[in-house]
Amino acid sequence: DAKTTQPPSMDCAEGRAANLPCNHSTISGNEYVYWYRQIHSQGPQYIIHGLKNNETNEMASLIITEDRKSSTLILPHATLRDTAVYYCIVRAPHQGGKLIFGQGTELSVKP
Amino acid sequence: GAVVSQHPSRVICKSGTSVKIECRSLDFQATTMFWYRQFPKQSLMLMATSNEGSKATYEQGVEKDKFLINHASLTLSTLTVTSAHPEDSSFYICSARDQTRPSGNQPQHFGDGTRLSIL
Repeated sequence: DAKTTQPPSMDCAEGRAANLPCNHSTISGNEYVYWYRQIHSQGPQYIIHGLKNNETNEMASLIITEDRKSSTLILPHATLRDTAVYYCIVRAPHQGGKLIFGQGTELSVKP
Repeated sequence: GAVVSQHPSRVICKSGTSVKIECRSLDFQATTMFWYRQFPKQSLMLMATSNEGSKATYEQGVEKDKFLINHASLTLSTLTVTSAHPEDSSFYICSARDQTRPSGNQPQHFGDGTRLSIL
């Protein structure tokens, strides 16, 4: 699986959009980009995933660059409950489904 | 949505005890489940892939005789930490893949984890 690079930490003001970047410059054509988050002492929570098109669901939006070498997770109106570690993971179908976690970005949403 | 239930949520036991952790997919079938371990301030580390009806696949460095995995049905996988010692104290998390979607386009869903403390 391709390696991802994320900033170790970010701050965001409550009510503002949180934009979390992820670099995956070695991604291959069949690898999806997945985003999960982990709130303290809980299991990771699935947020969103995509292949090459931008995606949106009730939790977030995923913007993937045209060359697919980077992506941005957008939380449109961050709340204090969005404080968590956010993981960007790329995975290919033939890898048996397993997800390999990097260090992620620790997002702190402040009042 | 897909739900994965993990039990127990917390275990405290004496050194030398074997501890069993259950992972269930509640509203979908999972031929494959995954077991992770997480130490404080660190990321999740994949331990093994649990395959229904066959042997688990362990990641490099994980002792298969120490961490016994059984996946006897499409909705249940168990991890047994045998003869646990203080260094096995950790946060153990399972996940399962929804088989209803095409391969590669399947979000993995995680349990809430089991905090194991060995005294």
